[in-house]
Amino acid sequence: EPEVTQTPSHQVTQMGQEVILRCVPISNHLYFYWYRQILGQKVEFLVSFYNNEISEKSEIFDDQFSVERPDGSNFTLKIRSTKLEDSAMYFCASSEELEGSSGAAYNEQFFGPGTRLTVL
Amino acid sequence: LAKTTQPISMDSYEGQEVNITCSHNNIATNDYITWYQQFPSQGPRFIIQGYKTKVTNEVASLFIPADRKSSTLSLPRVSLSDTAVYYCLALTSSGSARQLTFGSGTQLTVLP
Repeated sequence: EPEVTQTPSHQVTQMGQEVILRCVPISNHLYFYWYRQILGQKVEFLVSFYNNEISEKSEIFDDQFSVERPDGSNFTLKIRSTKLEDSAMYFCASSEELEGSSGAAYNEQFFGPGTRLTVL
Repeated sequence: LAKTTQPISMDSYEGQEVNITCSHNNIATNDYITWYQQFPSQGPRFIIQGYKTKVTNEVASLFIPADRKSSTLSLPRVSLSDTAVYYCLALTSSGSARQLTFGSGTQLTVLP
């Protein structure tokens, strides 16, 4: 069964450093997402990406964050200058394009196993 | 501010039916409501998705009233392995801004 993969599984960095989290979505999916989950808290949406541009983003996704699909398989999240409060589990997800013309935006999402980011 | 709220926790016994309700008062007009299950240290896993009325699959049912401001996940005959956190997910709008919003999550504990 195809699955979303993420690397690394754990990233430790110093405050102020740049980090890039990598994801390989399911190959025929066209929608990509990043979420974060601070330890013990709920999952929070960061950004959705479709057709090589951001579809929606949350207030968390400020200028310190960026996403990119550098080739046909990878989807990356960059944090330019990490802060202590960026420590969290970061999940990538992908979904197929919805069939029909319901007008709905988002289909079932398949999540990766996550990258645990620790900022020291 | 868009809010999507759920009960913090619920306890149930094996074999019982469990209903978890989510309130999403700022849901976008034409998008799905989706429910996910999350085990510790894992990514969320899709359970069920619906737009209105009732949807049923092999693991759950989803009830959505006409105003779509809430939804109820129904798990029939839960087992110990259903102990997990359950989240609703909806596309919410606040002014011109839209974002995918997870509910606060409900920790379901199934007891023997």
